[in-house]
Formats: sequence, structure tokens, C-alpha cells
Amino acid sequence: EAQVTQNPRYLITVTGKKLTVTCSQNMNHEYMSWYRQDPGLGLRQIYYSMNVEVTDKGDVPEGYKVSRKEKRNFPLILESPSPNQTSLYFCASSFRPRADTQYFGPGTRLTVL
Amino acid sequence: KQEVTQIPAALSVPEGENLVLNCSFTDSAIYNLQWFRQDPGKGLTSLLLIQSSQREQTSGRLNASLDKSSGRSTLYIAASQPGDSATYLCAVGNTGKLIFGQGTTLQVKP
Repeated sequence: EAQVTQNPRYLITVTGKKLTVTCSQNMNHEYMSWYRQDPGLGLRQIYYSMNVEVTDKGDVPEGYKVSRKEKRNFPLILESPSPNQTSLYFCASSFRPRADTQYFGPGTRLTVL
Repeated sequence: KQEVTQIPAALSVPEGENLVLNCSFTDSAIYNLQWFRQDPGKGLTSLLLIQSSQREQTSGRLNASLDKSSGRSTLYIAASQPGDSATYLCAVGNTGKLIFGQGTTLQVKP
């Protein structure tokens, strides 16, 4: 089944404790992206990757890191999480961002205490 | 900076009505526009993708139009059903970036 998977789905952590949210797709998509969704602010793009080893900032990249060492995986790294990073995170992928629809993962709900 | 606005923020209609959701954007330099559906606590599901060179796309009871010059798109839902109740989001794409509107929350009453 074609899908985007995220792990973990739920995470409660404390300020400053490094964490990684994994994202994997099995559709051989070139493009992958991370978003956060907050009440009143909607969905905002954090980082995106046009292909392996090619990443770029979205609208809200501060406090996040990403890497794209292989095509199927695009992990989101929070080196020193803070409470303002409490949010619902989504990963998405597509063949080509210009021409193809994006497939979204189920989301990761992160709480930073 | 691109801004995307969706009106109305919420909509409640009786089953069977035809309805229109609106999306406007400030910068016409877009590659495409997508409409998504989000159910409570769930991820997003793509409904329709319109390329910048296209005027409309149709899928079943859904029809989306795009007027790039005026910075507007509409999502038309025919013969609405209770199962259509969800939040509908539009997003405009340019290169790798995707900018979302705040969404319209639709409730279709039986």
C-alpha cells in the first residue's frame, strides 16, 4: 500500500531533550516536506527536500533540522525542543511538487513540557 | 509574501445542498493550487490539484476552478452529504513551497 508513515504518532517530552520524528514513504517520491499545524495559525511549512541531499527552508524553520540521505526517509530533528514547538506535525511527499499532488502522513502530536 | 485566505471559516448546510468554498491568494505567481480535506484528528487527503495553466478540475461531485489573474479559486460540492463534513483546505504551490489557507469547516446536517 502506497503511504507516508510517521513515528512516533504521539510524543511527550521535556524542554531541551533532543528528539527525532521519522518520516518514510514507499512511493519513490523525490519531494518530501514537513509542516506543523497550530490552532489559529493553520498549516505552516518547516522544511522541504526536492531530492536526496537537497533541502531548503520553509516558512518556520527555526529550531528544526532535517536531513535527506536516502530517497525514502526525511527525519525531522529537534535538537533542543521548547514548549513553543508543541504542535501537530505532518510529513508529506510527491513525485514533483509542481505537477503532482502531495500525500500526507497521519501526523505526530508533540508536547514539549 | 504569499497569503492565502479562505472564506467562510465555517459553514453549516442541510444535506443535498450545493455549496461553494472560496480561496483567495495574494501572489499570482503560483505553480499550482490544491484542495485538501482534513477529518478531525487525521491527516490531509488531496481532493483536487489544478495546475497554473488550467482553469478547473473535476472529481465526482467536486469541481475546483482557478482564476490566477484575480487570485481566486472555488471548490464546488454538489449534492452535499453528511460524509462531506470535514475541514477543507486550499494551498498554493510555488517551487517547493506550499502555503495553506486556514480552512473552511463544513458541517452537513442530515
